[in-house]
Amino acid sequence: DAGVTQSPTHLIKTRGQQVTLRCSPISGHKSVSWYQQVLGQGPQFIFQYYEKEERGRGNFPDRFSARQFPNYSSELNVNALLLGDSALYLCASSLGYRDIQYFGAGTRLSVL
Amino acid sequence: GQNIDQPTEMTATEGAIVQINCTYQTSGFNGLFWYQQHAGEAPTFLSYNVLDGLEEKGRFSSFLSRSKGYSYLLLKELQMKDSASYLCAPKDDYKLSFGAGTTVTVRA
Repeated sequence: DAGVTQSPTHLIKTRGQQVTLRCSPISGHKSVSWYQQVLGQGPQFIFQYYEKEERGRGNFPDRFSARQFPNYSSELNVNALLLGDSALYLCASSLGYRDIQYFGAGTRLSVL
Repeated sequence: GQNIDQPTEMTATEGAIVQINCTYQTSGFNGLFWYQQHAGEAPTFLSYNVLDGLEEKGRFSSFLSRSKGYSYLLLKELQMKDSASYLCAPKDDYKLSFGAGTTVTVRA
């Protein structure tokens, strides 16, 4: 069975640009969570979606937004990129919103 | 807010045992996860404790004391491939809060 898949793998953007990251959950999983991991730190929670509704949001500015589609895949959008947005963006899926979260390989975003 | 504390680095010899401690203070709590993360890769699920006590899973065991806000991950019969970062993550409802991780280096 396929695990959590994320695309693209790597991305290079310049300050002020916008980026969209994509995530496909494990088949049957209805919840998707997004995390940002800066080098040397643990992942920080950004969003969780369950059954296409936002269940929670971490301490991130409004430049960050996300959505979940009817097939449970998800997109994370970041507008007006800053140098500090450079990080590994991880998507995790779970059966329900309280279940074990399984992570994808991530998208490494570099903002120049 | 969340406060999760674990050692930054640990070194051990192949075949040995290493215990990674984690203390946490969270506004809500309904379980604690441990994940393994190799450099440049995604975290992979190792264990999940909901109730106090020890959960054993092959070479890996995890312990939880909710009253003390304390957990540990025990890695036995260390192998070179166990060199990685180990992340402690208490859960509040749906949200995981991660510590900075403990980098374990296994030496021959």
